[in-house]
Amino acid sequence: NAGVTQTPKFQVLKTGQSMTLQCAQDMNHEYMSWYRQDPGMGLRLIHYSVGAGITDQGEVPNGYNVSRSTTEDFPLRLLSAAPSQTSVYFCASSYTRWGPDGYTFGSGTRLTVV
Amino acid sequence: DAKTTQPNSMESNEEEPVHLPCNHSTISGTDYIHWYRQLPSQGPEYVIHGLTSNVNNRMASLAIAEDRKSSTLILHRATLRDAAVYYCILRAYSGGGADGLTFGKGTHLIIQP
Repeated sequence: NAGVTQTPKFQVLKTGQSMTLQCAQDMNHEYMSWYRQDPGMGLRLIHYSVGAGITDQGEVPNGYNVSRSTTEDFPLRLLSAAPSQTSVYFCASSYTRWGPDGYTFGSGTRLTVV
Repeated sequence: DAKTTQPNSMESNEEEPVHLPCNHSTISGTDYIHWYRQLPSQGPEYVIHGLTSNVNNRMASLAIAEDRKSSTLILHRATLRDAAVYYCILRAYSGGGADGLTFGKGTHLIIQP
C-alpha cells in the first residue's frame, strides 16, 4: 500500500545508546520531515528534507541527525539517547515544500529512553 | 507565523453533524487553511484544505469566512470513528514562513453513541 512506513513501532533505549528510526515513502514525494509529539502537545518539527542530498533543521533539532541519500528514505538518528527524547516520533512526506498539497504521516515510533 | 485558535474540546452525538470552528485572524493572503485529525495512537491524517472558497470531499466540508479570518470543518454525520483530535493549520502557498506544519493543541472531539 502506498504511504509512509516507519520502523520500529516501539523501542526502549538506555541513556547514551544510539539508534536509527527508519522512514520510507513510495509516493515519490520530494519533501520529507520528522516530528516529535510529547504528551498533551502538538507535533514539533525536528528536521526536514526538500530532496535527496538536502536536509535542514526544524524547531527542535538538537540530539538528532538526518540524511537523505534517496528520494524514498529519510532516517532519523539519535546519537546519544537522553530521557528527554522519550516521545512519539512521526515521519511525514508531501509532494512539495510549499503549496496546498497535504502531508502523509506514518503511524509513528514510540520511543522510551530509560 | 499566523496562528490558529480552536476550542479545547467538543462533544457531539453519533449520526449528527459536527461543526468544528477555527479562528485565524492574522492569516495572510498566501496561507492555505488545512485540517488534519489524529485518531488515538495514530499519526495525523490529512482531512481537507482550502484557500478562499468552500470545499467538499468524501471526509468533510470546509467553510471559509469571506474575510478568511475563520473557518469551520463540518463532519456531516459523525460516527464513533470520527472521535479524534482535529487540528486547524495554516500552510504557506510559497516560501517565507516556518517550514513544516505548525500544530497547536487542536480540538478533542468526543462522539457519544
